[in-house]
Amino acid sequence: DAMVIQNPRYQVTQFGKPVTLSCSQTLNHNVMYWYQQKSSQAPKLLFHYYDKDFNNEADTPDNFQSRRPNTSFCFLDIRSPGLGDAAMYLCATSAPGQTYEQYFGPGTRLTVT
Amino acid sequence: RKEVEQDPGPFNVPEGATVAFNCTYSNSASQSFFWYRQDCRKEPKLLMSVYSSGNEDGRFTAQLNRASQYISLLIRDSKLSDSATYLCVVNMGAAGNKLTFGGGTRVLVKP
Repeated sequence: DAMVIQNPRYQVTQFGKPVTLSCSQTLNHNVMYWYQQKSSQAPKLLFHYYDKDFNNEADTPDNFQSRRPNTSFCFLDIRSPGLGDAAMYLCATSAPGQTYEQYFGPGTRLTVT
Repeated sequence: RKEVEQDPGPFNVPEGATVAFNCTYSNSASQSFFWYRQDCRKEPKLLMSVYSSGNEDGRFTAQLNRASQYISLLIRDSKLSDSATYLCVVNMGAAGNKLTFGGGTRVLVKP
């Protein structure tokens, strides 16, 4: 089945220790998104890739970076995680020009100790 | 004013009852509208798109009112498994298919 996969599902990192979360998709969608979701809040868009074009949200901290080496994979790098970065990180994909729907992966729950 | 606003609830619903709730959006140029369902500690999953003429999918009915800038979701014959947070999601016409999420409406269906 075509899908969005995120690894790992749970990640524990230490304060200040860089961490990378990964997302892959078999949907062949050209847009990929990273969201941060904290408890009882709506998902907050961090950035997205339209093909290879990177689009950062204005309020996304510099601490968050992303890479998209090919259509299928996208990575979220947190250079120096703080306690406030503990959250669920959701990857999503979409295919513009169709129905604008986004399809989410299962998320990675990040804990910062 | 938030771009997409929802009543956070919770809506406590007896099993078998009908529940309905709305979502308002601020941008009259918004193009696409969706309801997503999110279970606790899980990812959002698309429940249904919302079309101008209104649409129904089994026990779920979605309506769009462009004049008043709101969408609604109605759940008939509520099941225990309908307990979840329902996210109102709007494409406001921004480039890259960006979606704007409401804060969610929590629904608790009780026996």
